[in-house]
Amino acid sequence: DTEVTQTPKHLVMGMTNKKSLKCEQHMGHRAMYWYKQKAKKPPELMFVYSYEKLSINESVPSRFSPECPNSSLLNLHLHALQPEDSALYLCASSQEGTSQINYGYTFGSGTRLTVV
Amino acid sequence: SQKIEQNSEALNIQEGKTATLTCNYTNYSPAYLQWYRQDPGRGPVFLLLIRENEKEKRKERLKVTFDTTLKQSLFHITASQPADSATYLCALDGKKDSSYKLIFGSGTRLLVRP
Repeated sequence: DTEVTQTPKHLVMGMTNKKSLKCEQHMGHRAMYWYKQKAKKPPELMFVYSYEKLSINESVPSRFSPECPNSSLLNLHLHALQPEDSALYLCASSQEGTSQINYGYTFGSGTRLTVV
Repeated sequence: SQKIEQNSEALNIQEGKTATLTCNYTNYSPAYLQWYRQDPGRGPVFLLLIRENEKEKRKERLKVTFDTTLKQSLFHITASQPADSATYLCALDGKKDSSYKLIFGSGTRLLVRP
């Protein structure tokens, strides 16, 4: 299995809803990432987990809450989002932890989130 | 401030020609640089990684150069095909504490005309 699987593919949520995005990889990768991508913009890093521990939080608002239950799973819990949070949310993984990089990242296809 | 710039927002070329994309960076000292391809509505796909001590890397029709003095990487696709049409992103490591994090440039949209 050489994929990163993200569910759901599309999500529409109201500003008072609570929802979660899920990401799964079975490649034995030790680091996992959440990126946010707006239309015609590059992916922007949100969170980095290395060996299941949060190592980087790019000053993301607390309405986004990441969780890494085990080495294969990464969740992003969403609560009280704003319409400007609508974007493509991408999960990625990399082989080593974040202390060195020898290989590229593997990205999922993303969750298209719309906040109404 | 730190910047990663891909000079062309869009590049149109004729099938069979070589596409050359540019990535320039300022206020970074990356240990490595990566190139990705992204199709609409999909996640980026890794193409090539080049380290600071490497001048050139090749993979099939792709070639990447990395000049740490000029702070520039060039990405070449030879014998381009319409199927190569996509957005190409360069990315480099922005090390924070002891952790690497991948930071992307703005991307170049390549259109290869038949």
